[in-house]
Amino acid sequence: DGGITQSPKYLFRKEGQNVTLSCEQNLNHDAMYWYRQDPGQGLRLIYYSQIVNDFQKGDIAEGYSVSREKKESFPLTVTSAQKNPTAFYLCASSFREIHQPQHFGDGTRLSIL
Amino acid sequence: GQNIDQPTEMTATEGAIVQINCTYQTSGFNGLFWYQQHAGEAPTFLSYNVLDGLEEKGRFSSFLSRSKGYSYLLLKELQMKDSASYLCAVRGSGNTPLVFGKGTRLSVIA
Repeated sequence: DGGITQSPKYLFRKEGQNVTLSCEQNLNHDAMYWYRQDPGQGLRLIYYSQIVNDFQKGDIAEGYSVSREKKESFPLTVTSAQKNPTAFYLCASSFREIHQPQHFGDGTRLSIL
Repeated sequence: GQNIDQPTEMTATEGAIVQINCTYQTSGFNGLFWYQQHAGEAPTFLSYNVLDGLEEKGRFSSFLSRSKGYSYLLLKELQMKDSASYLCAVRGSGNTPLVFGKGTRLSVIA
């Protein structure tokens, strides 16, 4: 089945630790995105990539890093510099045509211990 | 800048019709998307409008007026399973990522 896989579904982090969230897609999509969702805040863009080996910062990139070494994979690292990392993280992907919707993975819920 | 506004919450009765409004101000416009999101789950794509008018898809319809910066999602014959958040999202200039509103939480009651 084609889709977007995020793992793990739940993740706990100790203060001061970096943690990496996985996102893999087998839809042959060119573009991939990371959003953060907080209660009452809607989805806010962290990073996006429209092609392998290239990515751009979104609205709230501070404290996060990404890589895009393969078309299928776009991992997100939440660094210790991110002061309020507790949130629901959603990965999405799409074809590059402007009328194409973004499709989302099931999300990873990150909590601080 | 970009700004997308939707009501925070709405309540409607099973079997009724509900209209969820969205107004937007963006630099450039390449389409408006509606998504449904059940609590704790991923958003799922519902509809896309880029030209003015109404797009109908089963019980769901979406309308766009570009001159007014306005869209609505119309849900007919409401069912309990329609209780969810509905997200309005706009693609601005070029092939930029979608910008999302904060979502409207719809509660369907018996």
